Amino acid sequence: ETGVTQSPTHLIKTRGQQVTLRCSSQSGHNTVSWYQQALGQGPQFIFQYYREEENGRGNFPPRFSGLQFPNYSSELNVNALELDDSALYLCASSGRDRSTDTQYFGPGTRLTVL
Amino acid sequence: AQSVSQHNHHVILSEAASLELGCNYSYGGTVNLFWYVQYPGQHLQLLLKYFSGDPLVKGIKGFEAEFIKSKFSFNLRKPSVQWSDTAEYFCAVNAQSGTYKYIFGTGTRLKVLA
Repeated sequence: ETGVTQSPTHLIKTRGQQVTLRCSSQSGHNTVSWYQQALGQGPQFIFQYYREEENGRGNFPPRFSGLQFPNYSSELNVNALELDDSALYLCASSGRDRSTDTQYFGPGTRLTVL
Repeated sequence: AQSVSQHNHHVILSEAASLELGCNYSYGGTVNLFWYVQYPGQHLQLLLKYFSGDPLVKGIKGFEAEFIKSKFSFNLRKPSVQWSDTAEYFCAVNAQSGTYKYIFGTGTRLKVLA
């Protein structure tokens, strides 16, 4: 097990609602990345935060947004939920150096949009 | 477009059989390459990684992978699998410079029969 924690474990929302997912990074890590994993697929990179700023972004619309706090924990916010947003959302922490960029994953938050 | 392809979606082997899982990537520039594994009920975790140097990389639990730059491949191998290797395996890549992205393949489900 890694030291990365996520909350909540499961969440059910309806279409059009907004959701906030939370992540605490592993001790000593200053970078947090978020991924969406649909059923039967690999994780898809949403974005990464370093020093409270977005450091890179995948092909996700602006209604996916995030925050990183001074203690390096992070939030993922999704507005105007759509049915296709139903997925496992993974948080991963890592060090800043891209050459040693191992992602340490949390257990994920299972989001169901009805 | 940047992408990672894993050609084997499901693999079933008997114990002691040899394993090779294919991974090909499409990514401009110099890349870092990774294999992650997810055992049943556990988090995604790193199996091995390549950044530079010897293209044959050894990881945990007897796994190894070979980076063949001319073929854009990073195949995972194990000479003799065990029942405990039953898991889902993901290949991933990120660029050593430029816009940050971390791209995963769709995964290969390996089942090892005792």
